[in-house]
Amino acid sequence: GAVVSQHPSRVICKSGTSVKIECRSLDFQATTMFWYRQFPKQSLMLMATSNEGSKATYEQGVEKDKFLINHASLTLSTLTVTSAHPEDSSFYICSAAQKAAQPQHFGDGTRLSIL
Amino acid sequence: DAKTTQPPSMDCAEGRAANLPCNHSTISGNEYVYWYRQIHSQGPQYIIHGLKNNETNEMASLIITEDRKSSTLILPHATLRDTAVYYCIVSNNNDMRFGAGTRLTVKP
Repeated sequence: GAVVSQHPSRVICKSGTSVKIECRSLDFQATTMFWYRQFPKQSLMLMATSNEGSKATYEQGVEKDKFLINHASLTLSTLTVTSAHPEDSSFYICSAAQKAAQPQHFGDGTRLSIL
Repeated sequence: DAKTTQPPSMDCAEGRAANLPCNHSTISGNEYVYWYRQIHSQGPQYIIHGLKNNETNEMASLIITEDRKSSTLILPHATLRDTAVYYCIVSNNNDMRFGAGTRLTVKP
């Protein structure tokens, strides 16, 4: 079945560091990928929609200059958390689907801890 | 904002069927009903989806009412590994927005 790979699975770094998270669709091409954030004991919150070859679409309240998204190819999207602070510590998850209205397939998430 | 309503938690005995309800009274004609589950510290796992007909796969069955305003996910023989948060989502594209879900606990 469709597989989405996310890397790294865990990051611990100092405040002020920028962190890049990769999301790859391993056996299909995805023109659209999605990035979510999940705080402890809460549900997933959609952050942005990553569009191959064009700018990402951000949800209200998500700072586009802080969460940089690049979707350079049909199988790779990256999320860079710039100048991360402790309040950015969270579980970041990406997803992708082959076609519209088909089920999304999710990566295993990246747990980001900012000290 | 999620367009679905689910009970916050449910318990089920191991080996018995788990029936998870979902209300989606404002569903549009072209919106599908999707079910995902999330086991602790993992990404959500796709279970099943449907438009208006009932669906069955190796994991579960999905029963959608005739008016499409509600649905039920059925795990026919729940195991301890089915303990997870189950999310019901309605969408007409890839845009998946998660509500609070139902925390299912399967007990021995």
